[in-house]
Amino acid sequence: DAGVTQSPTHLIKTRGQQVTLRCSPKSGHDTVSWYQQALGQGPQFIFQYYEEEERQRGNFPDRFSGHQFPNYSSELNVNALLLGDSALYLCASSPPDSLPLSPEAFFGQGTRLTVV
Amino acid sequence: AQRVTQPEKLLSVFKGAPVELKCNYSYSGSPELFWYVQYSRQRLQLLLRHISRESIKGFTADLNKGETSFHLKKPFAQEEDSAMYYCALSGADMRFGAGTRLTVKP
Repeated sequence: DAGVTQSPTHLIKTRGQQVTLRCSPKSGHDTVSWYQQALGQGPQFIFQYYEEEERQRGNFPDRFSGHQFPNYSSELNVNALLLGDSALYLCASSPPDSLPLSPEAFFGQGTRLTVV
Repeated sequence: AQRVTQPEKLLSVFKGAPVELKCNYSYSGSPELFWYVQYSRQRLQLLLRHISRESIKGFTADLNKGETSFHLKKPFAQEEDSAMYYCALSGADMRFGAGTRLTVKP
């Protein structure tokens, strides 16, 4: 099992463009979360997908959207890119809920997005 | 408001010395707290969570609801503990602190 895989690893885009980032979850995981990590900051929660629907959302504008496919893989789309969107984008997958514990999140290596 | 604060960006100790990484939180409900670690060139991974009350790699963390803290401690630091440490809170969503870079010197 390769764990959580993200593609691409690096990306350079121009302001105003649109970008799609991809994530394949760890085998057996059904939930995918996306985070933005700016330089020198901790990860910031963007949203979480479960059963192909957005289950939770952080404080991010509608320019950030996502999708989950039947095989649990996920995409993060960002429209109308701003210079401030430059960051490391992390994907994390987790197994089915095992209440009362929150399931452990496994992180990918991230996609480094640079907007110029 | 849901917030996690790690007051120290950098922390440096000598091998064998005790280490404490501070984490304070604010949350109106019953939080679930975690410590994540990122070693050099590796991905972010879970170190421990308060609900399981276990010691991982010699690290422990106690949830203090009165002081709203979840400090990470280890009595004798090792060089391999050098890494970036993030405190995280699972409430309405998952909230991470800004992280503390721990350096253990030989």
